Amino acid sequence: EAQVTQNPRYLITVTGKKLTVTCSQNMNHEYMSWYRQDPGLGLRQIYYSMNVEVTDKGDVPEGYKVSRKEKRNFPLILESPSPNQTSLYFCASRGQGNQPQHFGDGTRLSIL
Amino acid sequence: SQKIEQNSEALNIQEGKTATLTCNYTNYSPAYLQWYRQDPGRGPVFLLLIRENEKEKRKERLKVTFDTTLKQSLFHITASQPADSATYLCALPDASGGSYIPTFGRGTSLIVHP
Repeated sequence: EAQVTQNPRYLITVTGKKLTVTCSQNMNHEYMSWYRQDPGLGLRQIYYSMNVEVTDKGDVPEGYKVSRKEKRNFPLILESPSPNQTSLYFCASRGQGNQPQHFGDGTRLSIL
Repeated sequence: SQKIEQNSEALNIQEGKTATLTCNYTNYSPAYLQWYRQDPGRGPVFLLLIRENEKEKRKERLKVTFDTTLKQSLFHITASQPADSATYLCALPDASGGSYIPTFGRGTSLIVHP
């Protein structure tokens, strides 16, 4: 089954404790991206990747890092999380051209 | 980058009626526009894509129109059902940097009452 898998689904942690949210897709998609979704603000893009070893900033990249060492994986790293990064995060992937985005089920992060 | 406007107020309609949602954009006209459905706490799910040279696209009870002069897309659900209650997002490719990663509107919540 074609899917985007994120882990963990839920995480409560404390300020400053490094964390990684993993994202994996099994559709051999070139493009992958991370979004955060906050009430009233909609989906905002954090980082995206057009292929292996090619990443670029989205609209709200501050406080986040990503890497794309393999085509299927695109982890999101919070080196020193802060409470303003409490949010619902989505990973997405898509193929070339006008192919639609496939989203994971989301990761709800709470930073205390 | 593209600015996308969707009605932030929830749309409440009676079962069986046609729901119409609006997506307006302000900058360049995109090569295509997509509509997604999002249920609470879940990731958006793709519904329909319409290209700039298409005036209308249909899929079962769904219909999308695309007016590049008005810079607007309308999303219709005919014979609406309570199961159609969700948030509907429009998305346009953002060509900045050549990525064509879609930018999403904030979505409009649709509530269909039995």
